Amino acid sequence: DIQMTQSPSTLSTSIGDRVTITCRASQSISKWLAWYQQKPGTAPKLLIYEASKLDSGVPSRFSGSGSGTEFTLTISSLQPDDFATYYCQQYNGYTPEYSFGQGTKLEIK
Amino acid sequence: EVLLVQSGAEVNEPGKSLKISCEASGYTFNNYWIAWVRQMPGKGPEWMGSIFPGDVDTRYSPSFQGQVTFSVDKSLNTAYLHLNNLKVSATATYYCARRGINGLANWGQGTLVTVSS
Repeated sequence: DIQMTQSPSTLSTSIGDRVTITCRASQSISKWLAWYQQKPGTAPKLLIYEASKLDSGVPSRFSGSGSGTEFTLTISSLQPDDFATYYCQQYNGYTPEYSFGQGTKLEIK
Repeated sequence: EVLLVQSGAEVNEPGKSLKISCEASGYTFNNYWIAWVRQMPGKGPEWMGSIFPGDVDTRYSPSFQGQVTFSVDKSLNTAYLHLNNLKVSATATYYCARRGINGLANWGQGTLVTVSS
């Protein structure tokens, strides 16, 4: 199984901050990495797929980069609606199998 | 519009079984993988497995193999998650999600399962 490790687990941030979350895979996953945002009581929402492609309707302040085993999610200027938990997820482009990181919770400083 | 609507919350006793449904609309049900995802209280999502309605090809995560089963009813555009011999540790929210070219872009609203004696 491919293990996904996110850091940090929690991040205390302020409105307007630039935020970067890192995700590492235990083996190369090429570009097959997605990022999700989840708020309490709701399903995860897809933000980014194939490491750097923004899903439809996602604000441009979100961006993703990386390939192989190291990936980042960046929020360029944190907005009030962005306080949530973020998960990375590896997904094989050819099989319907997935694994998630343990999550990064953004908290208000 | 793609929609996945799941059945309502369940409260059940240890040892019992239950079935969660996920009704799909807005796309051709047979042509897209459906994934099932567990999220225990305060924890991250865990992939349980996936099913392809068209040919009922099924993949289970090793962590859930033997503990759950998936099925579909193509006439109802509905996928099902079967949880057998429930344990208290099965208390969680369960999600279905559709696999598109962009990953798991469409999710059901989640079904909260509480297992308690």
